Amino acid sequence: DAGITQSPRHKVTETGTPVTLRCHQTENHRYMYWYRQDPGHGLRLIHYSYGVKDTDKGEVSDGYSVSRSKTEDFLLTLESATSSQTSVYFCAISDWGSYYEQYFGPGTRLTVT
Amino acid sequence: AQSVTQLGSHVSVSEGALVLLRCNYSSSVPPYLFWYVQYPNQGLQLLLKYTSAATLVKGINGFEAEFKKSETSFHLTKPSAHMSDAAEYFCAVSDRTGGDSSYKLIFGSGTRLLVRP
Repeated sequence: DAGITQSPRHKVTETGTPVTLRCHQTENHRYMYWYRQDPGHGLRLIHYSYGVKDTDKGEVSDGYSVSRSKTEDFLLTLESATSSQTSVYFCAISDWGSYYEQYFGPGTRLTVT
Repeated sequence: AQSVTQLGSHVSVSEGALVLLRCNYSSSVPPYLFWYVQYPNQGLQLLLKYTSAATLVKGINGFEAEFKKSETSFHLTKPSAHMSDAAEYFCAVSDRTGGDSSYKLIFGSGTRLLVRP
């Protein structure tokens, strides 16, 4: 299995509080991604990174920000959590020369009350 | 824009029966295609991928998929279902439409496979 960890694995927080989710990889892959998974929607891309300090928005980026200061870490921040951000969040990685197949972390279940 | 459609949010088969999960894509350029499986409370795991080599692709756990350009399809099959195949399956296509954006995948909404004893 690809070396991808996510922390925390579960979190319950209150509306309006900031939340940061961490993705850590040991594969030295260039690309990292944050998705959210909701019933009936499959996986939707929030933000992605194509290198250190290089990030871009996905299809559902409103209310989220990201940072990548090191190759191995990609942080997802909810500046002011809302109930609509209750979801399961997955981090993924990919690299050159492998047709960009993505490897996924175990997920973080976030509940905003 | 590229997109992926998975027909049937739920598919139910008997143990030992053929599994067929459908995936159709829209793409203006030859795509890379992927099938992923997700077991309960886990992340997604790559089952197989099509990268323009052989049109019939074999994956893990006895699954295979056939790329049919004329039908823009990439259906997933397994000759004989096992109880352990019960999971959610996602089809994905790489976005190769704009510059070097192949590293982005577009996922279908998923099909949950139920296997009856």
